Amino acid sequence: DTGVSQDPRHKITKRGQNVTFRCDPISEHNRLYWYRQTLGQGPEFLTYFQNEAQLEKSRLLSDRFSAERPKGSFSTLEIQRTEQGDSAMYLCASSLWGPEQYFGPGTRLTVT
Amino acid sequence: AQKVTQAQTEISVVEKEDVTLDCVYETRDTTYYLFWYKQPPSGELVFLIRRNSFDEQNEISGRYSWNFQKSTSSFNFTITASQVVDSAVYFCALSEAMGDYKLSFGAGTTVTVRA
Repeated sequence: DTGVSQDPRHKITKRGQNVTFRCDPISEHNRLYWYRQTLGQGPEFLTYFQNEAQLEKSRLLSDRFSAERPKGSFSTLEIQRTEQGDSAMYLCASSLWGPEQYFGPGTRLTVT
Repeated sequence: AQKVTQAQTEISVVEKEDVTLDCVYETRDTTYYLFWYKQPPSGELVFLIRRNSFDEQNEISGRYSWNFQKSTSSFNFTITASQVVDSAVYFCALSEAMGDYKLSFGAGTTVTVRA
Protein backbone atom coordinates (compact mmCIF):
# COMPACT_ATOMS: atom_id res chain seq x y z
CA ASP A 1 0.00 0.00 0.00
CA THR A 2 1.69 3.13 -1.19
CA GLY A 3 -0.94 5.82 -0.90
CA VAL A 4 -4.23 7.01 0.47
CA SER A 5 -7.20 5.19 -1.00
CA GLN A 6 -10.83 6.25 -1.10
CA ASP A 7 -13.97 4.34 -1.91
CA PRO A 8 -16.10 4.77 -3.89
CA ARG A 9 -14.52 7.02 -6.50
CA HIS A 10 -17.89 8.18 -7.75
CA LYS A 11 -21.31 8.21 -6.14
CA ILE A 12 -24.59 9.34 -7.62
CA THR A 13 -27.48 9.58 -5.23
CA LYS A 14 -30.93 11.06 -5.06
CA ARG A 15 -31.69 13.98 -2.79
CA GLY A 16 -32.65 12.83 0.65
CA GLN A 17 -30.63 9.62 0.59
CA ASN A 18 -27.76 8.85 2.95
CA VAL A 19 -24.26 8.18 1.64
CA THR A 20 -21.07 6.93 3.27
CA PHE A 21 -17.51 7.30 2.03
CA ARG A 22 -14.44 5.44 3.19
CA CYS A 23 -10.82 6.55 3.42
CA ASP A 24 -7.82 4.32 4.08
CA PRO A 25 -4.78 6.41 5.03
CA ILE A 26 -1.16 5.57 4.46
CA SER A 27 -0.17 2.86 6.88
CA GLU A 28 0.94 4.20 10.28
CA HIS A 29 -0.13 7.76 9.51
CA ASN A 30 -1.76 8.97 12.70
CA ARG A 31 -3.45 12.08 11.30
CA LEU A 32 -6.37 11.98 8.91
CA TYR A 33 -8.17 14.92 7.30
CA TRP A 34 -11.34 15.35 5.26
CA TYR A 35 -11.74 18.21 2.79
CA ARG A 36 -14.49 19.17 0.36
CA GLN A 37 -13.81 20.65 -3.06
CA THR A 38 -16.48 22.22 -5.25
CA LEU A 39 -16.02 22.93 -8.93
CA GLY A 40 -13.50 25.65 -9.63
CA GLN A 41 -12.51 26.06 -5.99
CA GLY A 42 -9.74 24.90 -3.73
CA PRO A 43 -10.38 22.22 -1.11
CA GLU A 44 -11.96 23.34 2.15
CA PHE A 45 -11.21 21.73 5.49
CA LEU A 46 -14.01 19.68 7.04
CA THR A 47 -12.58 17.70 9.93
CA TYR A 48 -9.43 16.19 11.41
CA PHE A 49 -8.55 13.07 13.41
CA GLN A 50 -5.48 12.29 15.41
CA ASN A 51 -5.58 8.54 15.82
CA GLU A 52 -9.22 7.80 16.71
CA ALA A 53 -9.98 11.19 18.23
CA GLN A 54 -11.83 13.76 16.15
CA LEU A 55 -10.11 16.96 17.26
CA GLU A 56 -11.60 19.63 15.04
CA LYS A 57 -14.68 20.16 12.92
CA SER A 58 -15.28 23.01 10.51
CA ARG A 59 -18.50 25.01 10.59
CA LEU A 60 -18.99 23.56 7.08
CA LEU A 61 -19.69 20.22 8.74
CA SER A 62 -23.40 20.55 9.42
CA ASP A 63 -25.38 18.20 11.65
CA ARG A 64 -26.08 16.03 8.61
CA PHE A 65 -22.39 15.15 8.38
CA SER A 66 -20.64 12.71 10.66
CA ALA A 67 -17.16 11.28 10.52
CA GLU A 68 -15.56 8.44 12.41
CA ARG A 69 -12.18 6.81 12.64
CA PRO A 70 -12.59 3.67 14.74
CA LYS A 71 -9.33 2.21 16.03
CA GLY A 72 -7.38 5.01 14.40
CA SER A 73 -7.15 3.31 11.03
CA PHE A 74 -9.65 3.90 8.21
CA SER A 75 -12.22 6.68 8.40
CA THR A 76 -15.79 7.06 7.19
CA LEU A 77 -17.68 10.20 6.29
CA GLU A 78 -21.46 9.93 6.26
CA ILE A 79 -23.87 12.48 4.87
CA GLN A 80 -27.51 12.08 5.88
CA ARG A 81 -30.44 13.45 3.91
CA THR A 82 -28.25 14.62 1.05
CA GLU A 83 -28.97 17.93 -0.65
CA GLN A 84 -27.93 19.15 -4.08
CA GLY A 85 -25.50 21.52 -2.43
CA ASP A 86 -23.58 18.52 -1.11
CA SER A 87 -22.43 17.70 -4.64
CA ALA A 88 -18.65 17.99 -4.54
CA MET A 89 -15.39 16.08 -4.45
CA TYR A 90 -14.64 14.75 -0.98
CA LEU A 91 -10.92 14.42 -0.38
CA CYS A 92 -9.12 12.53 2.34
CA ALA A 93 -5.53 13.16 3.36
CA SER A 94 -3.19 11.65 5.91
CA SER A 95 0.05 12.64 7.57
CA LEU A 96 2.54 11.38 10.13
CA TRP A 97 2.84 14.14 12.74
CA GLY A 98 4.30 16.71 10.32
CA PRO A 99 2.57 19.30 8.13
CA GLU A 100 2.83 17.49 4.79
CA GLN A 101 -0.46 15.89 3.88
CA TYR A 102 -0.85 13.18 1.26
CA PHE A 103 -4.16 13.10 -0.54
CA GLY A 104 -6.27 10.30 -1.91
CA PRO A 105 -7.99 10.36 -5.31
CA GLY A 106 -11.23 11.66 -3.85
CA THR A 107 -14.88 10.61 -3.99
CA ARG A 108 -17.00 12.61 -6.40
CA LEU A 109 -20.56 12.93 -5.11
CA THR A 110 -23.42 13.93 -7.37
CA VAL A 111 -26.80 14.55 -5.77
CA THR A 112 -29.68 14.57 -8.26
CA ALA B 1 -8.37 33.60 9.96
CA GLN B 2 -6.12 32.45 7.17
CA LYS B 3 -6.67 33.39 3.55
CA VAL B 4 -4.87 32.47 0.34
CA THR B 5 -5.40 34.36 -2.90
CA GLN B 6 -4.38 33.17 -6.33
CA ALA B 7 -5.29 36.01 -8.64
CA GLN B 8 -4.52 34.13 -11.85
CA THR B 9 -7.40 31.92 -12.90
CA GLU B 10 -5.83 30.45 -16.02
CA ILE B 11 -2.44 30.53 -17.71
CA SER B 12 -1.70 29.13 -21.15
CA VAL B 13 1.84 28.71 -22.45
CA VAL B 14 3.70 26.95 -25.20
CA GLU B 15 5.94 24.07 -24.25
CA LYS B 16 9.40 25.08 -22.97
CA GLU B 17 8.19 28.48 -21.77
CA ASP B 18 8.53 29.32 -18.08
CA VAL B 19 5.38 29.66 -15.99
CA THR B 20 5.15 31.73 -12.80
CA LEU B 21 2.16 31.32 -10.48
CA ASP B 22 1.32 34.04 -7.99
CA CYS B 23 0.16 33.46 -4.42
CA VAL B 24 -0.61 36.01 -1.72
CA TYR B 25 -1.63 34.99 1.78
CA GLU B 26 -2.99 36.43 5.00
CA THR B 27 -2.41 35.02 8.47
CA ARG B 28 -2.13 36.22 12.05
CA ASP B 29 0.29 33.45 12.90
CA THR B 30 3.93 34.38 13.31
CA THR B 31 5.08 30.97 12.13
CA TYR B 32 3.40 28.97 9.41
CA TYR B 33 3.97 26.70 6.44
CA LEU B 34 3.31 27.40 2.78
CA PHE B 35 2.73 24.73 0.17
CA TRP B 36 2.17 24.20 -3.51
CA TYR B 37 0.03 21.27 -4.67
CA LYS B 38 -0.71 20.08 -8.20
CA GLN B 39 -4.05 18.59 -9.27
CA PRO B 40 -3.86 16.89 -12.67
CA PRO B 41 -7.02 15.94 -14.58
CA SER B 42 -7.14 12.63 -12.68
CA GLY B 43 -8.11 14.68 -9.62
CA GLU B 44 -5.57 13.59 -7.01
CA LEU B 45 -3.75 16.41 -5.23
CA VAL B 46 0.01 15.94 -5.43
CA PHE B 47 2.31 17.61 -2.90
CA LEU B 48 5.06 19.62 -4.62
CA ILE B 49 6.87 21.84 -2.14
CA ARG B 50 6.70 23.18 1.41
CA ARG B 51 8.26 26.29 2.88
CA ASN B 52 8.65 27.39 6.51
CA SER B 53 7.82 31.00 7.32
CA PHE B 54 11.06 31.45 9.24
CA ASP B 55 13.21 30.51 6.27
CA GLU B 56 13.04 32.93 3.37
CA GLN B 57 15.79 31.31 1.36
CA ASN B 58 14.51 30.60 -2.09
CA GLU B 59 15.31 27.26 -3.63
CA ILE B 60 15.22 25.32 -6.82
CA SER B 61 14.15 21.70 -7.09
CA GLY B 62 14.51 20.35 -10.58
CA ARG B 63 12.29 22.46 -12.83
CA TYR B 64 10.46 23.96 -9.84
CA SER B 65 11.55 27.09 -7.98
CA TRP B 66 9.82 29.40 -5.55
CA ASN B 67 10.14 32.94 -4.34
CA PHE B 68 8.98 33.51 -0.76
CA GLN B 69 8.79 37.13 0.41
CA LYS B 70 7.45 37.52 3.91
CA SER B 71 7.40 41.31 3.66
CA THR B 72 4.79 41.17 0.88
CA SER B 73 3.13 37.91 2.02
CA SER B 74 3.82 36.32 -1.33
CA PHE B 75 4.84 32.79 -2.24
CA ASN B 76 5.26 32.55 -6.01
CA PHE B 77 6.04 29.35 -7.85
CA THR B 78 7.83 28.90 -11.18
CA ILE B 79 7.96 25.97 -13.54
CA THR B 80 10.96 26.25 -15.82
CA ALA B 81 10.88 24.86 -19.37
CA SER B 82 7.25 23.74 -19.09
CA GLN B 83 6.12 20.42 -20.49
CA VAL B 84 2.69 19.19 -21.57
CA VAL B 85 2.59 16.95 -18.48
CA ASP B 86 2.69 20.08 -16.33
CA SER B 87 -0.86 20.89 -17.43
CA ALA B 88 -2.91 20.86 -14.22
CA VAL B 89 -4.52 23.04 -11.58
CA TYR B 90 -1.98 24.37 -9.11
CA PHE B 91 -2.98 25.28 -5.56
CA CYS B 92 -1.16 27.39 -3.04
CA ALA B 93 -1.93 26.50 0.58
CA LEU B 94 -1.14 27.69 4.10
CA SER B 95 -1.13 25.99 7.50
CA GLU B 96 -0.18 26.80 11.05
CA ALA B 97 3.32 25.81 12.10
CA MET B 98 1.96 23.69 14.95
CA GLY B 99 -1.26 22.09 16.03
CA ASP B 100 -3.51 20.43 13.50
CA TYR B 101 -1.81 21.69 10.31
CA LYS B 102 -5.14 22.01 8.54
CA LEU B 103 -4.66 23.52 5.11
CA SER B 104 -6.24 26.68 3.74
CA PHE B 105 -6.16 26.61 -0.05
CA GLY B 106 -6.39 29.25 -2.72
CA ALA B 107 -8.85 28.88 -5.58
CA GLY B 108 -6.20 27.45 -7.88
CA THR B 109 -4.61 28.41 -11.18
CA THR B 110 -5.23 26.26 -14.25
CA VAL B 111 -2.06 25.84 -16.29
CA THR B 112 -2.32 24.63 -19.86
CA VAL B 113 0.89 23.79 -21.67
CA ARG B 114 0.47 23.50 -25.45
CA ALA B 115 2.80 21.39 -27.57
